Amino acid sequence: DVKVTQSSRYLVKRTGEKVFLECVQDMDHENMFWYRQDPGLGLRLIYFSYDVKMKEKGDIPEGYSVSREKKERFSLILESASTNQTSMYLCASSFPPFTGSYAKNIQYFGAGTRLSVL
Amino acid sequence: GENVEQHPSTLSVQEGDSAVIKCTYSDSASNYFPWYKQELGKRPQLIIDIRSNVGEKKDQRIAVTLNKTAKHFSLHITETQPEDSAVYFCAATNAGKSTFGDGTTLTVKP
Repeated sequence: DVKVTQSSRYLVKRTGEKVFLECVQDMDHENMFWYRQDPGLGLRLIYFSYDVKMKEKGDIPEGYSVSREKKERFSLILESASTNQTSMYLCASSFPPFTGSYAKNIQYFGAGTRLSVL
Repeated sequence: GENVEQHPSTLSVQEGDSAVIKCTYSDSASNYFPWYKQELGKRPQLIIDIRSNVGEKKDQRIAVTLNKTAKHFSLHITETQPEDSAVYFCAATNAGKSTFGDGTTLTVKP
């Protein structure tokens, strides 16, 4: 059973703080993603990574950075947290798209981290 | 980039009725279309998916149809039950990257 684990379910931070959100997967997936979920706006991609030390900007990367030093771990960093970054953050992982079975494109999500920036 | 529109944003049906959620996408290179269900307080989970070379796929009470020419795909749930109440997301995927719709909140009234 695929397990994607996010380090915190709830987090409260102050404006200007540096915030780290951690995600670990145990299925040896190459791809990892960070999304932000806000009511009525669906899942918006912040950053993704196809391999260790590789990263690609998603649709809303401003104010965020990421780190992928090991295959199983993908970190989202808020360099200087702001109130408009208060949101639910979801991590996901998947196999790459060309592994012979399209079913392996499935993304597996973590339980989410609800971040409040005060 | 890809743009996915999903309708309706909310849907309320009586138990036993059918529910249909529709999505359109813009990038003809998208070739994989998953649907995720997110129950309240839980993580999104895949319920059904379809590839661009297939027009329809069914799994018990749920089915997905894809019209590649028109760039739209739909989720159909028959004989709805209260446990079908959730937020449903469609997505269009190209090269492993998915763009999601804004979600549909489905409420099934007993």
